[in-house]
Amino acid sequence: DQQVKQNSPSLSVQEGRISILNCDYTNSMFDYFLWYKKYPAEGPTFLISISSIKDKNEDGRFTVFLNKSAKHLSLHIVPSQPGDSAVYFCAASADNYGQNFVFGPGTRLSVLP
Amino acid sequence: DAGITQSPRHKVTETGTPVTLRCHQTENHRYMYWYRQDPGHGLRLIHYSYGVKDTDKGEVSDGYSVSRSKTEDFLLTLESATSSQTSVYFCAISGGQGLTEAFFGQGTRLTVV
Repeated sequence: DQQVKQNSPSLSVQEGRISILNCDYTNSMFDYFLWYKKYPAEGPTFLISISSIKDKNEDGRFTVFLNKSAKHLSLHIVPSQPGDSAVYFCAASADNYGQNFVFGPGTRLSVLP
Repeated sequence: DAGITQSPRHKVTETGTPVTLRCHQTENHRYMYWYRQDPGHGLRLIHYSYGVKDTDKGEVSDGYSVSRSKTEDFLLTLESATSSQTSVYFCAISGGQGLTEAFFGQGTRLTVV
C-alpha cells in the first residue's frame, strides 16, 4: 500500500498557464516533504521542500502548498514553460532523514508551446 | 554539476549471474544511497551508507548487497540477478542527513534476461 500517492500519472498544460501537481499521503507522522524533478536519461534533481510548520513555500515560479489535515500537498508552477516538461516526484518523511523518505510514483508534466 | 558517476550506464545480463553497479563520487559526501525506479513505484531505497563500512538496508533490499570500503565508492551487487530486478538504478549522495542537498547520478539501466 503506497504511503505517498500521485494520482495523476500525466498532466498537459499550455505554456504560460499554471501547472498544479498533486500529492497525497497516508502517514500522519510525515512532517517533511520534497519535490524532485526528473528529465529523461537524467537523475532526479531537488526542486523545493516544505515542513509541517509551514503551509506554503515559494521559490521563484514554484510554490508548494501543504494541507496537513487533508494529508495533501501540491506544487504550483506559474507560469509554466516548455522546459518544465519532466516527471515530478513528491517524497515524504517523518524525520527528514534521507533514508526514510518515501517517494510517490511521479507525474509526467508536458508543457505545450 | 556534482561529481557523481554511475557505471555502467547500461547493462544486459542473464538470470542467475552476479552483477555489480558502481557509484563514484568526488564530493567527499558522507551519505550515499542506492534506489531503483520502476513504473508506478517512483524511487525505492535499496540500501544506504552513512560512512565507510557503515551501511544499512532500505525498503527493497532483498537480493541486493552493498559495500563501501572507501568514501568515494558505493557498490551495489545483485547476487543472482532475476528478471524482477530489471530496473533503472540511481545512486545519490548527500553531505547532510536529509535529501534537500542530495545529488543523483544519471542512472544505470539494467535488463535481466
